[in-house]
This record gives sequence, structure tokens and C-alpha cells, in this order.
Amino acid sequence: ETGVTQSPTHLIKTRGQQVTLRCSSQSGHNTVSWYQQALGQGPQFIFQYYREEENGRGNFPPRFSGLQFPNYSSELNVNALELDDSALYLCASSLVVGPGLETQYFGPGTRLLVL
Amino acid sequence: AQTVTQSQPEMSVQEAETVTLSCTYDTSENNYYLFWYKQPPSRQMILVIRQEAYKQQNATENRFSVNFQKAAKSFSLKISDSQLGDTAMYFCAFMTSFTGANSKLTFGKGITLSVRP
Repeated sequence: ETGVTQSPTHLIKTRGQQVTLRCSSQSGHNTVSWYQQALGQGPQFIFQYYREEENGRGNFPPRFSGLQFPNYSSELNVNALELDDSALYLCASSLVVGPGLETQYFGPGTRLLVL
Repeated sequence: AQTVTQSQPEMSVQEAETVTLSCTYDTSENNYYLFWYKQPPSRQMILVIRQEAYKQQNATENRFSVNFQKAAKSFSLKISDSQLGDTAMYFCAFMTSFTGANSKLTFGKGITLSVRP
């Protein structure tokens, strides 16, 4: 186990709705990254939060947004859901103390289905 | 932009045998890190092994070892004495050092490894 948890495990939404996914990082980890994993594909980077500020973003539209809280939890929000948003959403936490190696520890993911 | 290529979609190996999973990558960076992650059917991504590009010595973790060829931009994973619990999807991943979005992991498409009893 990695010590990273996510909720809910599964979620079904309809097109146009909004969804919030939650992640609880390892205690003390100051960085959380979110990834989208389509079926049969490798994860794609959505964005990263470092000390509660967005610290980098992948090729995802602004309707994907996030928050990181001081208690090592974080959220991924997706507005105006589209069918292509159906995927496994993974969060990964890490402790970054400066330039150098950073190992990311993944949660089990939230499976989102958009109908 | 960095890319990671895993060209073998599936592999199968007999229990107790050795298997090698291939990965190539493309980058113009000189300092970076490479990882192999395992994703069992339960979905949780687990770090298997990591390699710093500035280290010439290949990383080893128990039954897992890598063959890192920096000039060829190749990073293969060798699993010795395969066990049934090794059955999973394996992802090769790349990261540059922590500088904003460069600290993202770039993953390959993965390879499904099946260990036969």
C-alpha cells in the first residue's frame, strides 16, 4: 500500500454535469499530481499542486481544476463533463524538498463513467 | 517534449523464468529520472524501480533490475524468477527534475505481463 487514498472508487455522471474527486496524500507530502488514465493507456498528466499552488499543467482544458489543502488532501474538479472524460483518475503524492528526484506514490484511482 | 515508447503490448512468461520488458524514450534533457511502475488488476500503481540518468550503475531491487543505455535512450526491466504476483500492467515513465510541470511523469502505453503457472 502507498498510503494514498482516493474517493469515491467509482462514479457515474451524465454529460454536462460537474464532478469532484478527492485524494488524501501521505502525511507530510507537500505535492500532489493528478493523472487521467483512459482504458488501455498510460496515465496522462493533468496538473500538479505544490504547497497549495498549481505548479504545472498538462494539455487539459480549464474545466479541469484542482485544490490542495493544508491537511494533505486535494480535489480534482471537472465541469461540463464530456463523454471522453470517462477514465480512471489517479492522484499521486510526493515530498519535494528541492530540485532532484521525486518519487510519486499513487492512490488506487477513481473510475469515472460519463453517460 | 519527452516521449516514452513501449512497443510490446503483451508478454507472457512461465513462473520462475526470466522476462525482459522493453522501453525507449526521447528527450533532449541530460538530467532526468526513469521509473518502472506496476499496476496490478486492483489498479493501484506501485513503484518497482527507479534510475537516475546521471548514475552509470544499473538499478537493482531484489528480483527486478534494469538495463539503462543512456546513449541509446533505452531502459528495459528484467524480472528474474517470475512469480504469479508479477502479473500486472507495467509502465515505463520519465521525469525531469523538479521544476514545475517538468516534474510530471510521462508514461508509456504500458505492457501487460502474464505469468503462467
